[in-house]
Amino acid sequence: NAGVMQNPRHLVRRRGQEARLRCSPMKGHSHVYWYRQLPEEGLKFMVYLQKENIIDESGMPKERFSAEFPKEGPSILRIQQVVRGDSAAYFCASSPQRGDYGYTFGSGTRLTVV
Amino acid sequence: AQSVSQHNHHVILSEAASLELGCNYSYGGTVNLFWYVQYPGQHLQLLLKYFSGDPLVKGIKGFEAEFIKSKFSFNLRKPSVQWSDTAEYFCAVRLGENGNKLVFGAGTILRVKS
Repeated sequence: NAGVMQNPRHLVRRRGQEARLRCSPMKGHSHVYWYRQLPEEGLKFMVYLQKENIIDESGMPKERFSAEFPKEGPSILRIQQVVRGDSAAYFCASSPQRGDYGYTFGSGTRLTVV
Repeated sequence: AQSVSQHNHHVILSEAASLELGCNYSYGGTVNLFWYVQYPGQHLQLLLKYFSGDPLVKGIKGFEAEFIKSKFSFNLRKPSVQWSDTAEYFCAVRLGENGNKLVFGAGTILRVKS
């Protein structure tokens, strides 16, 4: 049973470009969570999605960031017009139901903005 | 705002030394508590969790943690560390019985000298 798959593992973007990060949850998991880890800091919650619905986006920056989890395919975290401060590790986690016993995390995507 | 504090950002120990990593949280309601480990270049893995019952929780790889409600603490312990325990350790709190997001501490980097 494959775990949570994130790709790419590493992504380099120039300032002003768009970054798309993908997350395929574990089989049977319909809840996806995105976290961001800045250098020297812990993971910070960004957004919680179920299939086709955003449930909680309280941690998402108001501009340039968006997330989706379509009926078919992976969840996508999209960052438009990236800036140097967006450089971080972005982790996705999934669970089979809301508030379940812990998440399963993916290996993360390390975004570097140059 | 709810927060999680991990007291030491870097810890260096010799093999066979005992380990205790501190974690305190600020939230007065029901919490679920977790410790995750991130080995170099890998994803976060769940070490152990506390939901209810016996406040002394045993996890994988010989780790344990004790929930002390009066101190709002959930410290991680291991009697004798190994070189392979070199990793970053994160304490996390989920708020409420069906909370959908984790609040993480900043992490503690443990280096075990062989």
